[in-house]
Amino acid sequence: DIQMTQTPSSMPASLGERVTISCRASQGISNYLNWYQQKPDGTIKPLIYYTSNLQSGVPSRFSGSGSGTDYSLTISSLEPEDFAMYYCQQYDSSPWTFGGGTKLELK
Amino acid sequence: EIQLQESGPGLVKPSQSLSLTCSVTGYTITSGYDWSWIRKFPGNKMEWMGYISYSGSTNYNPSLKSRISITRDTSKNQFFLQLNSVTTEDTATYYCARYRRRVPYWYFDFWGPGTMVTVSS
Repeated sequence: DIQMTQTPSSMPASLGERVTISCRASQGISNYLNWYQQKPDGTIKPLIYYTSNLQSGVPSRFSGSGSGTDYSLTISSLEPEDFAMYYCQQYDSSPWTFGGGTKLELK
Repeated sequence: EIQLQESGPGLVKPSQSLSLTCSVTGYTITSGYDWSWIRKFPGNKMEWMGYISYSGSTNYNPSLKSRISITRDTSKNQFFLQLNSVTTEDTATYYCARYRRRVPYWYFDFWGPGTMVTVSS
């Protein structure tokens, strides 16, 4: 299985701050990388698919980049509703695997 | 809009079977896409468990292959998870989700709210 290492596991941040979450795969995954947001109420939604494509309805302050084994999710200016859990997920090879999650917390 | 909703017992005894239902509204599960189960453990690890396709074929995570079965009732637009011989390590929040596969864009585009299942005697 491809292991996905997500860093940091938690991140205190302030409103308006620019933050970046990283995800490293145990082998190259050819940009087959998605990002999801889980809100405190448990609901999960896709943010970014295929490394850098913004899901419909997701604000443009979210962006994704990367290649090979290293990928990142950036939020350009934190809004109150962005404090949540974030997960990366690879689909280069089955079984699809997730990163361990990053909890974005209000500083 | 499409909605998914998980249902089932919140408490299962060790060695028994865990059975969950995902009810889908707003889309017919035989029209397209794959229909998945994913779980999130205490401590935040997430695991894709498997899916049933719109045509009825299945694909399971090898780590679960001997214990898992995903089936469907097309007349009710529902699909199901059965996990046999559960242990306390199967305690998790279980999600059903639609898996969108359109090369090269494969991702879980709609999720249910999740249902917590505790395995305990």
